[in-house]
Amino acid sequence: EAQVTQNPRYLITVTGKKLTVTCSQNMNHEYMSWYRQDPGLGLRQIYYSMNVEVTDKGDVPEGYKVSRKEKRNFPLILESPSPNQTSLYFCASGTYNQPQHFGDGTRLSIL
Amino acid sequence: DQQVKQNSPSLSVQEGRISILNCDYTNSMFDYFLWYKKYPAEGPTFLISISSIKDKNEDGRFTVFLNKSAKHLSLHIVPSQPGDSAVYFCAALSGGSYIPTFGRGTSLIVHP
Repeated sequence: EAQVTQNPRYLITVTGKKLTVTCSQNMNHEYMSWYRQDPGLGLRQIYYSMNVEVTDKGDVPEGYKVSRKEKRNFPLILESPSPNQTSLYFCASGTYNQPQHFGDGTRLSIL
Repeated sequence: DQQVKQNSPSLSVQEGRISILNCDYTNSMFDYFLWYKKYPAEGPTFLISISSIKDKNEDGRFTVFLNKSAKHLSLHIVPSQPGDSAVYFCAALSGGSYIPTFGRGTSLIVHP
C-alpha cells in the first residue's frame, strides 16, 4: 500500500529540547516536503526536497532543518523548538505530474 | 501575497443539495489545479484535478470547473452527503513543477 508515514503522531515537549519528526515514503518518489497547518493559514510549506541531497526552503523555514540522505526519508528537525512552532505538521511526497501523497500528520505542542 | 485564495473559510449545506467551493488565483503561469480533502486527524487526500487545457473535469459526484479568463475554479459536489464534511484545499501548479501553492481551505459541513 502506498504510504507516507510520519512519527510521532503526537508530541508534547518543552522549549529548547531538540526534536526530530521522521517521514518515510514507500513510493520511490523524488519529491518530498514538509508543511505546517495553522488555523486560518492553511498549509504552509516549510522545506522541500527534489531528490537525495537536494533540499530547499519553502515559505516558512525559520527554526527548522531537514535532510535527505536517502530517497525514502525526509526528517524534520527542530534544533531549539519554541512555542510558536506548536502546530500540525504534514509530510508529503510526489512525482512528476502526479498529486502529492500526504502523511496523517504530527501534532506538536511546545510548552 | 496569496496566489491561491479560498475566500470562504466555511460553507454549510443541506444533505442532498449542491455544494460549491470556490477558488481564485492570481498567477497566470498556473496550469494545473487540484482539490484536496482533509478530515480531522488525517492528512489531505487528493480528490480531483484539472489541467488548464480543459474547462471541466468530472468524477462521480465531484466536478471541477475552470474559468481561465477569470482565474477562477470551483468544485461542485452533487448531491452532498454528510461524509463530505471536511476541509477542502485548492492547489495550483505551474509548468510541470512539483511544488503546489495551496489556498487556506474551506470547511464544508453537510447537515443531514
